[in-house]
Amino acid sequence: QVQLVESGGGVVQPGGSLRLSCAASGFTFSSYGMHWVRQAPGKGLEWVAFIRYDGSNKYYADSVKGRFTISRDNSKNTLYLQMNSLRAEDTAVYYCAKDPATAMFFDYWGQGTLVTVSS
Amino acid sequence: AIRMTQSPSSFSASTGDRVTITCRASQGISSYLAWYQQKPGKAPKLLIYAASTLQSGVPSRFSGSGSGTDFTLTISCLQSEDFATYYCQQYYSYPPWTFGQGTKVEIK
Repeated sequence: QVQLVESGGGVVQPGGSLRLSCAASGFTFSSYGMHWVRQAPGKGLEWVAFIRYDGSNKYYADSVKGRFTISRDNSKNTLYLQMNSLRAEDTAVYYCAKDPATAMFFDYWGQGTLVTVSS
Repeated sequence: AIRMTQSPSSFSASTGDRVTITCRASQGISSYLAWYQQKPGKAPKLLIYAASTLQSGVPSRFSGSGSGTDFTLTISCLQSEDFATYYCQQYYSYPPWTFGQGTKVEIK
């Protein structure tokens, strides 16, 4: 069965950096696009970033463009989100999510990892 | 960016009720719409895609309809496990992929 397990969250000061990981199993990771979606405490869902199955295309939300970088290592079945210049408004649970094809919806989600940006 | 607006934002209902949640897109999105259910402290779960196609394993009491700008999610007979927050999401035009603000279904 499809499993997505995020890690790397924690508390970081404003301006700091963090790298999230998402370990995938139960499907052919290298064949599917992947997303990061976040949810601030008590708020709704916000799409953050997308990467094509082969890493050739990447898209970002305007709110994180230039600060966050999505990447993947298909040999390790792992998705990453490098977050730099973090701000208080980046505080959220970050979910990785699988795309059923390319640039569609989110058919499987991880359990999420909490990132708190605070001094 | 396409804006997705859900209504109502929250409401109370009783087990056995038929409930309908509405999602409106700021421009036409054909049938490129998905619905998710989220329970407190849990990840969202895909219920419906392509506006009306039920994801595998989702109970048949859930159904979706609509195309263009107006969509609905209907739960035909509300069960205790259905009390949750529901989100619509468009994938017609991206980036960004956009969600509605959510509709919380609470117990009356």
